[in-house]
Amino acid sequence: KAGVTQTPRYLIKTRGQQVTLSCSPISGHRSVSWYQQTPGQGLQFLFEYFSETQRNKGNFPGRFSGRQFSNSRSEMNVSTLELGDSALYLCASSPMGQNEKLFFGSGTQLSVL
Amino acid sequence: GENVEQHPSTLSVQEGDSAVIKCTYSDSASNYFPWYKQELGKRPQLIIDIRSNVGEKKDQRIAVTLNKTAKHFSLHITETQPEDSAVYFCAAPLTQAGTALIFGKGTTLSVSS
Repeated sequence: KAGVTQTPRYLIKTRGQQVTLSCSPISGHRSVSWYQQTPGQGLQFLFEYFSETQRNKGNFPGRFSGRQFSNSRSEMNVSTLELGDSALYLCASSPMGQNEKLFFGSGTQLSVL
Repeated sequence: GENVEQHPSTLSVQEGDSAVIKCTYSDSASNYFPWYKQELGKRPQLIIDIRSNVGEKKDQRIAVTLNKTAKHFSLHITETQPEDSAVYFCAAPLTQAGTALIFGKGTTLSVSS
């Protein structure tokens, strides 16, 4: 089985722009969650989707949004980018979406200039 | 909401020594505690997890202990090897529904030979 795939691998944007990141979960996995990783703050939960519904949301501003499609693929969008949004964005999938192993993708490294 | 504290932030040991990383959590309803290992430039990977109905779980050289009364859990690595060098994250569920995790800030383990 192919692992969790995230595209693009790297992104460079300027302040004020918006960006869309994509995540394809492992085939058969219905839960997709997103995390922001920075050197100072570690791994911070953004949101979780299960069967196209947002099930949990972290403490991030409304500029961060996401969605999940019927094939379980997910996208996250960040609007009006700020310098502090520079981070590695990790997507993780799991089969049933209930206190189980998360399979992480390699992430999208976003740099905001 | 859940809060997870992790100590120490860095840990240096000699090859063959044991390493212990400790975490505390705040939500007494939490019932699932995973540990993830992230090697430099790689994605986080689950190495062991424990559920609240057991006090200890072992897998070869790694073990996790859980004290629900004190709300803390620990990762124990015995006979450390250079390939154990990585960042280790503990986590607890954000809610009782779903897979959203609150991670500790991580422990950088360095094993010198």
